[in-house]
Amino acid sequence: KAGVTQTPRYLIKTRGQQVTLSCSPISGHRSVSWYQQTPGQGLQFLFEYFSETQRNKGNFPGRFSGRQFSNSRSEMNVSTLELGDSALYLCASSLEDAMNTEAFFGQGTRLTVV
Amino acid sequence: EDQVTQSPEALRLQEGESSSLNCSYTVSGLRGLFWYRQDPGKGPEFLFTLYSAGEEKEKERLKATLTKKESFLHITAPKPEDSATYLCAVRTDSNYQLIWGAGTKLIIKP
Repeated sequence: KAGVTQTPRYLIKTRGQQVTLSCSPISGHRSVSWYQQTPGQGLQFLFEYFSETQRNKGNFPGRFSGRQFSNSRSEMNVSTLELGDSALYLCASSLEDAMNTEAFFGQGTRLTVV
Repeated sequence: EDQVTQSPEALRLQEGESSSLNCSYTVSGLRGLFWYRQDPGKGPEFLFTLYSAGEEKEKERLKATLTKKESFLHITAPKPEDSATYLCAVRTDSNYQLIWGAGTKLIIKP
């Protein structure tokens, strides 16, 4: 059974540009969550999607957005990139009943903003 | 406010030296507590889920336990390959999102 797949693995962007990251969840999983991880802040929750609807949102500016498609694949977009957006972006998928099940993570996308 | 605190921040052990990592939580209605292992530059790897006080789970050299206020991850006779950051997270009655601790960086010296 394939795990969570995130693409690309590494990305270098210039300040002011925008970026789109992709996440394919484990087959059968309908909940997808996104996290930002930096050395100083640890894992910070961005948002969660379930059946194409954003079900929960963290405390990030509107430059961070996401969506989920009918096949449960998800994308997140960051517009007007800032140096502080450099981080490891992680996607996690869970079964339908996300309240009582564990989340499985992808390998992450390492974004560097220069 | 729901909160998860892990201690210590870092732990250095000799190979074979057993110890425990702590995850204390203050939440309104625990639905589940999760332990993950994370290697540098990779996504967290799921280890255990605990749902109620008194519950225990084991996997190889790791054993996780849960009380009403904290969880322990016991590591017995660790090996260098157990070196990683161990993360704890909780899910509550009021929120779908996981609340994460800052992690404990474990280093096992040969």
